[in-house]
Formats: sequence, structure tokens, C-alpha cells
Amino acid sequence: DAKTTQPPSMDCAEGRAANLPCNHSTISGNEYVYWYRQIHSQGPQYIIHGLKNNETNEMASLIITEDRKSSTLILPHATLRDTAVYYCIVTPQTGNTGKLIFGQGTTLQVKP
Amino acid sequence: NAGVTQTPKFQVLKTGQSMTLQCAQDMNHEYMSWYRQDPGMGLRLIHYSVGAGITDQGEVPNGYNVSRSTTEDFPLRLLSAAPSQTSVYFCASSYTRGGNTIYFGEGSWLTVV
Repeated sequence: DAKTTQPPSMDCAEGRAANLPCNHSTISGNEYVYWYRQIHSQGPQYIIHGLKNNETNEMASLIITEDRKSSTLILPHATLRDTAVYYCIVTPQTGNTGKLIFGQGTTLQVKP
Repeated sequence: NAGVTQTPKFQVLKTGQSMTLQCAQDMNHEYMSWYRQDPGMGLRLIHYSVGAGITDQGEVPNGYNVSRSTTEDFPLRLLSAAPSQTSVYFCASSYTRGGNTIYFGEGSWLTVV
């Protein structure tokens, strides 16, 4: 599975958009980009995933560059409850056995 | 629909003791897995299962044993607890066909003294 690089920490003002970058320059053609987050002491929570097109759901938007070497998770209107560690993970969709390789993630601090 | 349920939530063990962390899911998921998370670290995969009767090792399997006799349950056994196994343990499950979003339990806090 391709490795990912994320900044260790970021701050965001409450109500503003939070843009979390992820670099995955070695991603291969069959690998998807997944985002999970972990609010303090809780189990990780799925946010969104994509292959090459931009994706949006009720929680966030995912923007993947055309060369697929990087992506950005966007929380459009961050709230204090969005303070968490955000993990960007690259993994094949088919043949995946439920394994995820977690890196260090980005700690997002939403400030009032 | 309870999702992924882990028990116990907290446990203190003495070095050398054995115990089993229980995990159950009611979503009929094929895949189940166990992760551990040490302070300030990301999650690391211990063991996983792709279906009843099938298990395999992850990144950090030593000192742990698993079995999968039913689709619903995936217990994790610590054979002889060591202080290095002090960690938070997360069980997870996923349904592979049509997407593999993974659902995590709330965690089990284990301290080995």
C-alpha cells in the first residue's frame, strides 16, 4: 500500500473551512484514498473516500488532484466537535481484507 | 443494530496473566480485525479475519492469538500479558463487497502491571 504524508497539526477557526492536505505520491492505479478521524479516546470514524473524482458527503468534501498524487479533505464549516486526529489512508478497494495502515495523522484543533 | 461491541472497556492485568478481549458485530460483516494504539501513535494491525475459520497476522501479532468460529465474534487472547501490551485495543469490521468502509468499536483500555 502506498504511504501518505500529512502535516502533524493544524488550527482552524470555528465556522471556517478546514483544509487538510495529504501527499500520496506513490499511489497506484487501483488504490483509493480514505479519510478517517479519531476524536479523543474514541474509535476511528469513517469520513469519505475516493478514487480519482472529487467526492462530497454530509460530512466533508474530498478533492483529489488530477495526477492523484495528493488530496485535500475539506470540512466546510468546522465546529469545535471537529477537533480530532485526521488520518489519510491509501488502500486498494478490491482485495482489501479490512486492513488499514495508519500513519501519524493530522491533529486538527478548531478554535472558537 | 449495535455495530461493533467490545468488552471489557477497562482491564488491569498482572504480568503473566492471560485474558480475552471480546468483540462482536451485528452487521453480518465478513472482515474483522484488531488494532492496538499506543499513546501518541496511530493504530497498528494485530490480527485480522476475512471470514469464519480464517485468520491471519497483521503488523504486530506477537503475544496475541485469535480465532473466528462465527461471523459475529472475533476474540483477541493475550497469552501471557507483558507491560509492553499496555495499550488501547480497537476491534473493527467491514463488509467488503461494494465498498470497504471499516467500522470501529469504542476501544478496550488494557493496563499490564
